[in-house]
Amino acid sequence: NAGVTQTPKFQVLKTGQSMTLQCAQDMNHEYMSWYRQDPGMGLRLIHYSVGAGITDQGEVPNGYNVSRSTTEDFPLRLLSAAPSQTSVYFCASSGQGSYEQYFGPGTRLTVT
Amino acid sequence: AQKITQTQPGMFVQEKEAVTLDCTYDTSDPSYGLFWYKQPSSGEMIFLIYQGSYDQQNATEGRYSLNFQKARKSANLVISASQLGDSAMYFCAMREIYNQGGKLIFGQGTELSVKP
Repeated sequence: NAGVTQTPKFQVLKTGQSMTLQCAQDMNHEYMSWYRQDPGMGLRLIHYSVGAGITDQGEVPNGYNVSRSTTEDFPLRLLSAAPSQTSVYFCASSGQGSYEQYFGPGTRLTVT
Repeated sequence: AQKITQTQPGMFVQEKEAVTLDCTYDTSDPSYGLFWYKQPSSGEMIFLIYQGSYDQQNATEGRYSLNFQKARKSANLVISASQLGDSAMYFCAMREIYNQGGKLIFGQGTELSVKP
């Protein structure tokens, strides 16, 4: 049981480039979320999903796209990276009827 | 709208002493859950403790306990017998129990330093 995995661990992008942060979980969890953490701040919700095919916006969705074609995977896409998107990105999942969220190890993204 | 406030940016505690980290929250939903997470310098998010809004007893997990005062909308974390390994960032978080999936709202965190 790998839990929640994220790839890559580190990434450097130039302004305007696009990329996808990968997130996968093997716990058959319905709920998956993406958060970003900026220095000195708590995590802020970007997008979330309550099941395959269903996604919705969180607190800071601008500049990010998501899709959920399977229960296991929840990729986060940056279409045109900006320096303001430099942050640490966490993916999390939780199951129906369970209060605990399981977090991935994070992806540290730098946009120059 | 839901909001979490942690007013202590940094705290110091002597090893083996107890420490309380403050958390206040705001929500209009009657059903919610409160969480505390630890984030060591390595960066991972470690779940510590959970309190449901309808739970009658304060939650405890080993050396961690949650002092839940519903009328005051506070959910303070108490760490007893501090250890050097407790030095980390601590985040309070909240989510609505129903219809919100895994959405968590986080506070800004408190950095705890344990002195030998």
